[in-house]
Amino acid sequence: DAGVIQSPRHEVTEMGQEVTLRCKPISGHNSLFWYRQTMMRGLELLIYFNNNVPIDDSGMPEDRFSAKMPNASFSTLKIQPSEPRDSAVYFCASRKDGYYGYTFGSGTRLTVV
Amino acid sequence: QQPVQSPQAVILREGEDAVINCSSSKALYSVHWYRQKHGEAPVFLMILLKGGEQKGHEKISASFNEKKQQSSLYLTASQLSYSGTYFCGTERGDDKIIFGKGTRLHILP
Repeated sequence: DAGVIQSPRHEVTEMGQEVTLRCKPISGHNSLFWYRQTMMRGLELLIYFNNNVPIDDSGMPEDRFSAKMPNASFSTLKIQPSEPRDSAVYFCASRKDGYYGYTFGSGTRLTVV
Repeated sequence: QQPVQSPQAVILREGEDAVINCSSSKALYSVHWYRQKHGEAPVFLMILLKGGEQKGHEKISASFNEKKQQSSLYLTASQLSYSGTYFCGTERGDDKIIFGKGTRLHILP
């Protein structure tokens, strides 16, 4: 299995631009999670999906952030417009239903200048 | 709601033991432990379910005290490869994990 695949690995963009992060979960995993990691705040849960349905988006910072999961093998996290304070590493993780741990992707390091 | 980990950082010599603690103010369904090396993604170590069980993974084991809402991770005879940041994650039965701020572990040769 290729694991959870995220793209791009690095993204540098100017303030005000739209940013789209992509994630392909492990086949057969029912839940998908988007986390953001910074030194100050650690790993923050932004949103998670179960069977492609958004279950909890209470961690999404504000309306500039949106996430979709159109099918079981693809999810996007979009920031529009981006701001310097959005700079962080964004991780996608997936999990199979039951008593299992998360498998994280390699992350996208986002820098907004 | 975020679990509290202690200590924040530990420096050990190879072969020494360490304990990392994780506590929550809320009732828990399960506790997860992950290790993250610098520049990499967190890697799942183990999950403990309510019921006070203890699990092991090589020389790394953990316990979960449901009544006290606490978990501890035990690293015995530490190896250089154990260096990294350890995160506990708590789950309250709603499928989502809230992570602590992490414990940085540095092993010296």
